Amino acid sequence: GDSVTQMEGPVTLSEEAFLTINCTYTATGYPSLFWYVQYPGEGLQLLLKATKADDKGSNKGFEATYRKETTSFHLEKGSVQVSDSAVYFCALHSGGSNYKLTFGKGTLLTVNP
Amino acid sequence: NAGVTQTPKFRILKIGQSMTLQCAQDMNHNYMYWYRQDPGMGLKLIYYSVGAGITDKGEVPNGYNVSRSTTEDFPLRLELAAPSQTSVYFCASSYSSSTGELFFGEGSRLTVL
Repeated sequence: GDSVTQMEGPVTLSEEAFLTINCTYTATGYPSLFWYVQYPGEGLQLLLKATKADDKGSNKGFEATYRKETTSFHLEKGSVQVSDSAVYFCALHSGGSNYKLTFGKGTLLTVNP
Repeated sequence: NAGVTQTPKFRILKIGQSMTLQCAQDMNHNYMYWYRQDPGMGLKLIYYSVGAGITDKGEVPNGYNVSRSTTEDFPLRLELAAPSQTSVYFCASSYSSSTGELFFGEGSRLTVL
């Protein structure tokens, strides 16, 4: 079945540091890939997505590239801010009439001033 | 801009009690979902609905029931609450089943003692 594995946290960085959160997946067919973000006390929000191989999703300075050859979708940001402190979830959707979105376990990021 | 609204935000139940978590969306989305989030475990799908009058089980439906009498509302009922149902519950909606782009409520934290 489908599965998502993302790096375990927590991750603690200083402001302006470079961020990478690793995500790899197992899926049949050609899934779409997502990063969702959950700020403290809030629900999840879609951060970025990619729907096919070699696509790059980007938003708010975050980027992730859909790598079919390594089944990966790593999240990166060149310079993190305190306001980026949140839990980040990698997810996949197998497409078609499959209603299920498969989530990773989440990675807690804390950015210190 | 209400989006997805969940009530209550917090609730403490005794073992064996029942309650209903309310969820409403104002985006005219056909698809609605209930997830539970346990620490370090990501999100698990409890139930979903593809439109008024149509519901189906997700990964972890035992101990829960849902109904969908209108497009807007998708309540989740817990019968005979158990400590294993202590969790944070998220309602979500989407305009399509095939994109994986979900809109989440802020969550309902339930504790069963």
